Amino acid sequence: LAKTTQPISMDSYEGQEVNITCSHNNIATNDYITWYQQFPSQGPRFIIQGYKTKVTNEVASLFIPADRKSSTLSLPRVSLSDTAVYYCLVGDGDNAGNMLTFGGGTRLMVKP
Amino acid sequence: GAVVSQHPSRVICKSGTSVKIECRSLDFQATTMFWYRQFPKQSLMLMATSNEGSKATYEQGVEKDKFLINHASLTLSTLTVTSAHPEDSSFYICSAKGLAGGEQYFGPGTRLTVT
Repeated sequence: LAKTTQPISMDSYEGQEVNITCSHNNIATNDYITWYQQFPSQGPRFIIQGYKTKVTNEVASLFIPADRKSSTLSLPRVSLSDTAVYYCLVGDGDNAGNMLTFGGGTRLMVKP
Repeated sequence: GAVVSQHPSRVICKSGTSVKIECRSLDFQATTMFWYRQFPKQSLMLMATSNEGSKATYEQGVEKDKFLINHASLTLSTLTVTSAHPEDSSFYICSAKGLAGGEQYFGPGTRLTVT
């Protein structure tokens, strides 16, 4: 199971774009990359998932280079409500037993 | 999207008693459910994986006789903390995968406080 490494914390200001990078050097061919957001005392919430290149949805973009050893979650124009912990996970989404290991996550603090 | 619920959302119990936490997939069938524990300011730690109709698989260091997991149907898994102690106080989160695999859907969590 690929291990992930993320910055422990990041600070930003309202309206800025925030990019959080995750390293996963041992990612396997079948592994997808998934990002979750967690607010205090709540369960993690799915943000975005990708396999390669770029994925975009209504809340974020995910950039994955060709070697897939890292990925970057991009949050456009953050607001105070985006203050949360963001987790990057890698694993094979079709197999039970994968995408189970949470790394330390990145604690994002958005300031006014 | 798919919804996973947990009940209760928070519970306080006395040391030595047992507490049951329910995890339900409300609008999909989940062949696999996962139980996590999260201490303050820490990441989620996987405790066990449960498959419907079979015994749960516990992670190393998790006592299967203390944390009883039952996955009797495709929409319900329960975690029973037996003979709870104050050190079992934590935030317990379940997640579920649908029949086709893919994304994990997380419940809102249960805050357990053992006094």
